Amino acid sequence: SQQGEEDPQALSIQEGENATMNCSYKTSINNLQWYRQNSGRGLVHLILIRSNEREKHSGRLRVTLDTSKKSSSLLITASRAADTASYFCATAGFNKFYFGSGTKLNVKP
Amino acid sequence: DADVTQTPRNRITKTGKRIMLECSQTKGHDRMYWYRQDPGLGLRLIYYSFDVKDINKGEISDGYSVSRQAQAKFSLSLESAIPNQTALYFCATSGTGSESSYNEQFFGPGTRLTVL
Repeated sequence: SQQGEEDPQALSIQEGENATMNCSYKTSINNLQWYRQNSGRGLVHLILIRSNEREKHSGRLRVTLDTSKKSSSLLITASRAADTASYFCATAGFNKFYFGSGTKLNVKP
Repeated sequence: DADVTQTPRNRITKTGKRIMLECSQTKGHDRMYWYRQDPGLGLRLIYYSFDVKDINKGEISDGYSVSRQAQAKFSLSLESAIPNQTALYFCATSGTGSESSYNEQFFGPGTRLTVL
């Protein structure tokens, strides 16, 4: 499979802590995207980072990309109970678009 | 009103039945996609369409067919449903990027399909 692999599969933290999840992939990419999915609902796009970018911020989200290691990380700072969801990375290559298997984040109040 | 809508939201059917899932969008996007999601797994691409005259197979197209009736409508059919097609199905749209690049995708709420 050329899908990205997320790590960890599940993460449980207290409200206010930071949450870090990682994504590794196998093929060259044009961009990498992160999505959030609340239980049983459609995915919501969070952030897109292009292959020539190394870091990107959006509110409490920070994404890094290391194309030499074929990996990306998503950091959520000062987490809230409302951040509880599954998070997926998606890699966009030449006419290919793959989702990873996701990290399930639980933020305890 | 939601930008991407899917009907039905839930469907229970029997093995061998033909099923159609419909997707409509008001975002004016050319690109539309159908995915399935199995419990605990990520999304897998079934079919995608870059415009009304363009249909492409995705990672898992066997047992499925699609029709792009208009820019705004993209339907997925299961010709003869089988139990292992029980899953959550999502439609998504995106704006036009370069041929080699995919932009942000906007998802519908999903259709939960159960095949008995």
